[in-house]
Amino acid sequence: ILNVEQSPQSLHVQEGDSTNFTCSFPSSNFYALHWYRWETAKSPEALFVMTLNGDEKKKGRISATLNTKEGYSYLYIKGSQPEDSATYLCAFLSGGGADGLTFGKGTHLIIQP
Amino acid sequence: NAGVTQTPKFRILKIGQSMTLQCTQDMNHNYMYWYRQDPGMGLKLIYYSVGAGITDKGEVPNGYNVSRSTTEDFPLRLELAAPSQTSVYFCASSLREEGEQFFGPGTRLTVL
Repeated sequence: ILNVEQSPQSLHVQEGDSTNFTCSFPSSNFYALHWYRWETAKSPEALFVMTLNGDEKKKGRISATLNTKEGYSYLYIKGSQPEDSATYLCAFLSGGGADGLTFGKGTHLIIQP
Repeated sequence: NAGVTQTPKFRILKIGQSMTLQCTQDMNHNYMYWYRQDPGMGLKLIYYSVGAGITDKGEVPNGYNVSRSTTEDFPLRLELAAPSQTSVYFCASSLREEGEQFFGPGTRLTVL
């Protein structure tokens, strides 16, 4: 069983502040790393799929980096807005894609006005 | 495109009953997945399929069965429902093995 850890488990941030959180995954047999955003009462929606060491991806105020050699990825949110409140999931896909995604437990982000 | 649809949205079962959770996608994706979500836990993969006629076990397959007779449909069957199967079930699909997954709205199942 693969171990994907996310920290912190939850985070309260003031509106307008920037924040970041971490996903740790096995550094061997890497294939892909996914980030999903999951709002309450909705389904997870993909933010990024990252496959190469050193990848940096950006979507609006949200960006992510990937270090496959040391097994971590950071998600950054710049200038947090109330609509950013959600649970952010990362998921690891091992070499060849066999066995599907292994998800972390998520970081629950609450933006306080 | 409707994307990934799941039925029913909610269901209450008695212990020992059986049911099928339906999942359909209209994006012509080869890859389909079933996950369960329990409080405080991440999404756990139950079964997945890489194409019609091909299925494989995920991390938590016990108590479940799947079939994939068409590209569009990937039903999940519970044969003898147990309280431990109380959960929210999500179906997902992807175009490529490593590609982003598109999730259905989920089915909330309670076994009493």
